[in-house]
Amino acid sequence: KNEVEQSPQNLTAQEGEFITINCSYSVGISALHWLQQHPGGGIVSLFMLSSGKKKHGRLIATINIQEKHSSLHITASHPRDSAVYICAVNRGGGADGLTFGKGTHLIIQP
Amino acid sequence: KAGVTQTPRYLIKTRGQQVTLSCSPISGHRSVSWYQQTPGQGLQFLFEYFSETQRNKGNFPGRFSGRQFSNSRSEMNVSTLELGDSALYLCASSLEFGGHGEQFFGPGTRLTVL
Repeated sequence: KNEVEQSPQNLTAQEGEFITINCSYSVGISALHWLQQHPGGGIVSLFMLSSGKKKHGRLIATINIQEKHSSLHITASHPRDSAVYICAVNRGGGADGLTFGKGTHLIIQP
Repeated sequence: KAGVTQTPRYLIKTRGQQVTLSCSPISGHRSVSWYQQTPGQGLQFLFEYFSETQRNKGNFPGRFSGRQFSNSRSEMNVSTLELGDSALYLCASSLEFGGHGEQFFGPGTRLTVL
């Protein structure tokens, strides 16, 4: 079993829909990252969080440390949000690099 | 501020050769991490350098090595290339090491091993 599990693996939605991507992890962490990767490979960091909730524009990320679970929400989705969204965790202590989920492939249709 | 740059962007090599990839971090960032991305395994951590010292290492064979210079630029070397080394190699820079800081990714180097 992977240490970081994401669901769903693939998601197709219509423009304007509210999107939720989930990430569950099985190890203790000090931080969780949400990343966005567009076709062509470029990766952009969306959020880094260790507790609570963060919001940036139409994107919201939440984390529940006790339940070892995080969610990424996209409100009023748009075709330009189509990308792969990747969850990654830092196990803390500075001993390891990031451990990544397999990613969620999101397609927003106009 | 200029972003993270990686050179070359594309590379084709044959089995048994070696390759060196370069990464220039954002000015002021002392942490550089390297990652391998393949369709089968996804993103995997290779190693991280901070202030010219390797701080963390992923589960890769010794054929994968790296170094960091005093200006924080980093190089990654793969010796005796295998077909399975074909991948997108990404580097990311950060103000803090160990994944504690926001990661800024470069565009990647796509390596094809024939």
